[in-house]
Amino acid sequence: NAGVTQTPKFQVLKTGQSMTLQCAQDMNHNSMYWYRQDPGMGLRLIYYSASEGTTDKGEVPNGYNVSRLNKREFSLRLESAAPSQTSVYFCASISPGGYGYTFGSGTRLTVV
Amino acid sequence: EDQVTQSPEALRLQEGESSSLNCSYTVSGLRGLFWYRQDPGKGPEFLFTLYSAGEEKEKERLKATLTKKESFLHITAPKPEDSATYLCAVQDMDSNYQLIWGAGTKLIIKP
Repeated sequence: NAGVTQTPKFQVLKTGQSMTLQCAQDMNHNSMYWYRQDPGMGLRLIYYSASEGTTDKGEVPNGYNVSRLNKREFSLRLESAAPSQTSVYFCASISPGGYGYTFGSGTRLTVV
Repeated sequence: EDQVTQSPEALRLQEGESSSLNCSYTVSGLRGLFWYRQDPGKGPEFLFTLYSAGEEKEKERLKATLTKKESFLHITAPKPEDSATYLCAVQDMDSNYQLIWGAGTKLIIKP
């Protein structure tokens, strides 16, 4: 099925551990995004990639890095996880000139 | 500073009881206002984009309207399957990519 696929769906990390969240889309979209969603708050943009080969910081980039591996894949890396990074992470993509994001089903991350 | 506030935080309705959700926003210039639906454990699902005051869009039992300061999502004769969290977001004219999101309204429709 066409859409955005995120892996893993759930993850528990210890403080200081690292991990990479994977995201892939098969809709030939140019722009891809990483958001985090916390209770009582709106989605917050971590990083985005307007096109293959480019990445830019969003509202809350500290503690994260990203890689736009190719047009389909956009990964998010936590180098040294902290409890403040406990959240649900969503990847999204959008076609040129389009305003309707397609979101993945999310990764629920707990840092203990 | 761009800001989006959604009210109420939660809304419980009986099946068939119509109501409205509110999204108030502050931006220097509006490029677009977006409504999404989010079911538990899933990512947001796109519903509507509104671009200018006076614009309206409809989808089944949902109708979104826009003024210069706020947007309403009207739900007519809701069914239990309309239960979800509804998210509102705005894009400033100066931003090519970033949306500012509200915290959402959790809607519960009781049979």
